This record gives sequence, structure tokens and C-alpha cells, in this order.
Amino acid sequence: SQTIHQWPATLVQPVGSPLSLECTVEGTSNPNLYWYRQAAGRGLQLLFYSVGIGQISSEVPQNLSASRPQDRQFILSSKKLLLSDSGFYLCACSRGPGANVLTFGAGSRLTVL
Amino acid sequence: AQKITQTQPGMFVQEKEAVTLDCTYDTSDPSYGLFWYKQPSSGEMIFLIYQGSYDQQNATEGRYSLNFQKARKSANLVISASQLGDSAMYFCAIMDSNYQLIWGAGTKLIIKP
Repeated sequence: SQTIHQWPATLVQPVGSPLSLECTVEGTSNPNLYWYRQAAGRGLQLLFYSVGIGQISSEVPQNLSASRPQDRQFILSSKKLLLSDSGFYLCACSRGPGANVLTFGAGSRLTVL
Repeated sequence: AQKITQTQPGMFVQEKEAVTLDCTYDTSDPSYGLFWYKQPSSGEMIFLIYQGSYDQQNATEGRYSLNFQKARKSANLVISASQLGDSAMYFCAIMDSNYQLIWGAGTKLIIKP
């Protein structure tokens, strides 16, 4: 079964600083990868998904970007953080197109001050 | 577009009682999948149960069962014999034709001893 490692677990950053959240997957190859954001007390909002190396689809226009430099590595970045970027970020994977169940990482809690 | 509605923001239930968490959905796709995930205070999303729109029988997984009423577009989660460890946020989600999950706002379940 898949295991997702996500770090850092918590992060406090000033407005305007850069961001890098990393996610790696074990136990499967060629997974679909996802970045979600969860505002406090809310459901999940899909930010990016990737079906392969270098293939990134963005769901929500924002100052965040994602990259997939390797098959099982997914990175969420920003050049300049905004206060509204605060939230809980979850990386997830599925085994590929049509695969139903998502496996999630433990999440990264970002506070922008 | 797909939509998920969870009308119960919070619930208190006595330990060992059964719990029903409500979920209604809206979709124009003839084929879809419905999911329930649990999010404990640690933040990780844990898959509980899945129901396909063409599945003839309601899905069951241990103490979890899904009361799927297609005509009413509802997919309520039933937890039998609730335990203190069931206290968490519970999210209903629907998978659209692009294999993306649309999430509800969640229900916070608190099990009382």
C-alpha cells in the first residue's frame, strides 16, 4: 500500500517570504498526485494535480505553484506568501486514472503572519 | 457541476450508540463514486468507505456502512456501536467524471463517554 511522507509538518512564515512544501510517495509507481488546501473548519479545496512527471494541472488561480520533478515527488511552492495562504495543506496520491481511493499525507500546517 | 452537502456541522453522540452522518449530493454524471473520509485532530485524512453509483448493495466496512439512496441522492454514513476514538471530522466526497473529488464541508462528531 502507498505511504505518503509530507514535510514540514508545521511552518510559520512572514508575508512575502517563499514557500516549499514537499511530498514523497512510497509503495507505488506512476501515481496521480494532488495538493489540497483546507481552511480552518472547512472542506478540502483541490489546488493542483499531476498525472506524471512535469505534468501539472491547476484548479485554482493563485500565487502558488506545483512541480513534479520525479515520479514520486510533488512540491508546492510560492515565491511570495500572502496572509490568505494560511491553512492546512494535504498531499494525496492515487494509483492512477480511474483509481478511486486517495491516500493522504499527514498534512502541513502553514501560518502566514 | 457536482456538489456535496453535509447539513450537520456538529453532532454529540453517546458512546456505544449508532450514528448517522448525513450527505446529499448533486451530479449530472450517470456514473460516479461516493466516499467518506475521517479526519482526526491529527489532521490526516483516513479513507473509510466507498460506494459506486451502480453498486446494487450498500457498502459496508466493519462498523461503517453507507446508506445509499440513489433516488434521493443521499449517501449517509452509519457508524454502529460508536467508540471514543470515532470523535473526528467526517467528510463526504463525490468523484466527478474527471476523477476529481468534490468535498463537503464536513461534520464534527464528538462521542461522549
